[in-house]
Amino acid sequence: VLTQSPGTLSLSPGERATLSCRASQSVDSTYLAWYQHKPGQAPRLLIYGASSRATGIPDRFSGSGSGTDFTLTISRLEPEDFAVYYCQQYGNPPFTFGPGTRVDIK
Amino acid sequence: EVQLVESGGGLIQPGGSLRVACAASGFTVSNSYMSWVRQAPGKGLEWVSIIYSGGSTYYADSVKGRFTISRDSSKNTLYLQMNSLRAQDTAVYYCVRDWGYHHDVWGQGTMVTVSS
Repeated sequence: VLTQSPGTLSLSPGERATLSCRASQSVDSTYLAWYQHKPGQAPRLLIYGASSRATGIPDRFSGSGSGTDFTLTISRLEPEDFAVYYCQQYGNPPFTFGPGTRVDIK
Repeated sequence: EVQLVESGGGLIQPGGSLRVACAASGFTVSNSYMSWVRQAPGKGLEWVSIIYSGGSTYYADSVKGRFTISRDSSKNTLYLQMNSLRAQDTAVYYCVRDWGYHHDVWGQGTMVTVSS
C-alpha cells in the first residue's frame, strides 16, 4: 500500500513543492515512479527508478528516496505544474498507485 | 511517433459487456508489455491489467474473472474485454505501454459508463 502526503498542497508559482510517498513495505527504488495528471489529459511519466527524469521532463522536477520513503520535489512551481501527482510501485502485479497529491494554486 | 488511441467506450447497462480497443503506432504491441489503467470519476488512478510480451496476463482483484486483456498482432491492437460490468467500473480507461518498470506512453483514454 502506498500513502501520499499531503492530500492537497496549496502553493504559489515560484515556490518549492515537496510531495511524499510512503510504502507499507520496502520498495526497490527501481520500481518507484511518479506521474503528473491534469484534468482532461493523459497522465504523464515524470520520474522512474525513484530519481531518473523521463524524457522531456524539466530539471525542476526531481525524485529521491529509498526503502519505504520517497519524495518528489518541484524546485520552483510553474503555472503548468498545478496538477495531481501519483506515485506507483511496479514490483509485482498489482502495480498499485498512491492516492495522489493535488497541487493547487494558492 | 509512438501513439496509442483508445476506442469502444460508451454507456452500458449493469451486467453487460463491452470491449475497448487500443490501436498502437510507432512500436509493436506484441513485443511490449501493455497495461490498462483506469480512473473513476473523482477518484485516483487504478491499475487494471497487464499483458506481457510472452502472453502472460495479470489483473487487479477488482476485475479478476470479469475482464480479459488480449492483443491482435495483425492489427497491432490491445483489447480489454469487460463482462459483468458494475457501476463501480465506470471510469476513463487508459491504454498504456510499459517500458522498464513504469508506464511510459499513455493513450488519451476512453470513457466507460455503467448505468441503467
